[in-house]
Amino acid sequence: RKEVEQDPGPFNVPEGATVAFNCTYSNSASQSFFWYRQDCRKEPKLLMSVYSSGNEDGRFTAQLNRASQYISLLIRDSKLSDSATYLCVVNINFNKFYFGSGTKLNVKP
Amino acid sequence: NAGVTQTPKFRILKIGQSMTLQCTQDMNHNYMYWYRQDPGMGLKLIYYSVGAGITDKGEVPNGYNVSRSTTEDFPLRLELAAPSQTSVYFCASSYGGSSYNEQFFGPGTRLTVL
Repeated sequence: RKEVEQDPGPFNVPEGATVAFNCTYSNSASQSFFWYRQDCRKEPKLLMSVYSSGNEDGRFTAQLNRASQYISLLIRDSKLSDSATYLCVVNINFNKFYFGSGTKLNVKP
Repeated sequence: NAGVTQTPKFRILKIGQSMTLQCTQDMNHNYMYWYRQDPGMGLKLIYYSVGAGITDKGEVPNGYNVSRSTTEDFPLRLELAAPSQTSVYFCASSYGGSSYNEQFFGPGTRLTVL
């Protein structure tokens, strides 16, 4: 079983739409959680960390449900520039990070 | 600051050849990591280091070796390259000490083994 699973998409949405991604993780001892963004043929970059109480950064909202072991990312008012692959990342045992395969988002004009 | 730099950007190897992928960071980070990313897949941890002189295996260490003689450098060595090692290799660093520390990635090395 994979440590982190994501719907690969692609999610094709029009500009201005709201889109949500989910991610599930298998290890209940996971300590910290992140969403990274990866543009085509580029390195991943941190989008936001995900805290237990949920957190928001502008148009982006992240939620964590430890009981069900899933993480979500909500993007409101999608922009063309949001087109990318979104990677769910889980930290286990402090030094080891597990990445999901990513969810591809295409925002269309 | 240059951040995390990797060389080379691209490389084609023949089966059985060896090479070293270079990674350098100028942020004085304690923690450094090597990942590989196969097409359409997430990143998988190969090796990591929590400081100079200290390294440990990640999820997929077979066929690779690392060393960490300085804080700045964390080279990855491929011995006897195989087609299964065709991948994009990313080096990353973080300040460490907290499980919520951000990882900063280099631009990657695209390796093809033929």
